Amino acid sequence: GQQLNQSPQSMFIQEGEDVSMNCTSSSIFNTWLWYKQDPGEGPVLLIALYKAGELTSNGRLTAQFGITRKDSFLNISASIPSDVGIYFCAGHAGGTSYGKLTFGQGTILTVHP
Amino acid sequence: DGGITQSPKYLFRKEGQNVTLSCEQNLNHDAMYWYRQDPGQGLRLIYYSQIVNDFQKGDIAEGYSVSREKKESFPLTVTSAQKNPTAFYLCASSITWGETALHFGNGTRLTVT
Repeated sequence: GQQLNQSPQSMFIQEGEDVSMNCTSSSIFNTWLWYKQDPGEGPVLLIALYKAGELTSNGRLTAQFGITRKDSFLNISASIPSDVGIYFCAGHAGGTSYGKLTFGQGTILTVHP
Repeated sequence: DGGITQSPKYLFRKEGQNVTLSCEQNLNHDAMYWYRQDPGQGLRLIYYSQIVNDFQKGDIAEGYSVSREKKESFPLTVTSAQKNPTAFYLCASSITWGETALHFGNGTRLTVT
């Protein structure tokens, strides 16, 4: 099946630093999404990307849909303690996978005050 | 407030027992999903339902069963045939099948000993 490789697996940063994480795939996706999961909670959608090359911001978060349609990245600027959590990328391939999302393994973010 | 309610938050069972996890949504969404989350892994799709009275197997359906008798409800039964049932289970919904922006519940952590 389709797989997403998300990196890094974990990050330990100081408050105020910028963060970057990415996802790559061996196959093309038509939609990329980024979710955040707080400990013991369900994931919450941060950003959705629907077009190759698209760059979208949501506050301090910026995400891009790669031109090749096989990758996406998420940047967080000026991190704060409440940014702590697990960040997941997810891709939607369409076609026979219509309606199904493939999730990356997640990036665990720790922010030190 | 509209949302997805999963209950209970924590569930403990003895090996060999079936257990049912509850998922209720008041978002009037047609599609509902069950995912399993294990540490260091992405979310894996167990079952999904495009519309009431319909459901399909996802990527890891063995040892699980579901029903969708009402639009609002999509319970998941973890049977004794599931070899490794201890995990965090997440229910999600979307407005329609194929809508990629999923709304998640806050999960049920199942521990089987």
